[in-house]
Amino acid sequence: EAAVTQSPRSKVAVTGGKVTLSCHQTNNHDYMYWYRQDTGHGLRLIHYSYVADSTEKGDIPDGYKASRPSQENFSLILELASLSQTAVYFCASRNLGDQDTQYFGPGTRLLVL
Amino acid sequence: QQQVRQSPQSLTVWEGETAILNCSYENSAFDYFPWYQQFPGEGPALLIAIRSVSDKKEDGGFTIFFNKREKNLSLHIKDSQPGDSATYFCAASATNTGGLSGKLTFGEGTQVTVIS
Repeated sequence: EAAVTQSPRSKVAVTGGKVTLSCHQTNNHDYMYWYRQDTGHGLRLIHYSYVADSTEKGDIPDGYKASRPSQENFSLILELASLSQTAVYFCASRNLGDQDTQYFGPGTRLLVL
Repeated sequence: QQQVRQSPQSLTVWEGETAILNCSYENSAFDYFPWYQQFPGEGPALLIAIRSVSDKKEDGGFTIFFNKREKNLSLHIKDSQPGDSATYFCAASATNTGGLSGKLTFGEGTQVTVIS
């Protein structure tokens, strides 16, 4: 069974503060993704990575950085959190060559005040 | 610009009925269309998917009907059960553009409620 875990599961942050969201997968998958989910917008891709020490911009990368220190771990960093970044964030993983399935984590609910 | 659109936004059906969820897209390069199911407090999970070379895909009580010419598709949930109550996302990917990113573009989702 594919396993993607995220931490923390919820967080309250202050405007202008730094926030780091972590994702860990035990699937031995090459690709990892960060999405945000807002009501009425579905999921939107922020950053993704296909190999350790390399990240790529997704569709809405502004205000976010990503880090892939190992195949298993992928972090999303908000250097200066803003109110508009309040959302639920999902991490997912996918195996290279498998066009079908992205396996999602349980999500992190972020509230920026 | 919303490249993948879903309707209705929410849908309520009686137990045993067929729920029909609609999805349309704009990008002709999209050739892979997965549907994800999401329960409250959980991440989305792949439910069923279709490639543009097919016009129908069935898996259990779930069927995708695909119309390439009209750029739309629908998910039919046959014999709906209360356990099918969830949000369903239509997504699309262009797998034949030379990249291997597997990037998915999601629709806004349809919240389905099945009442008994």
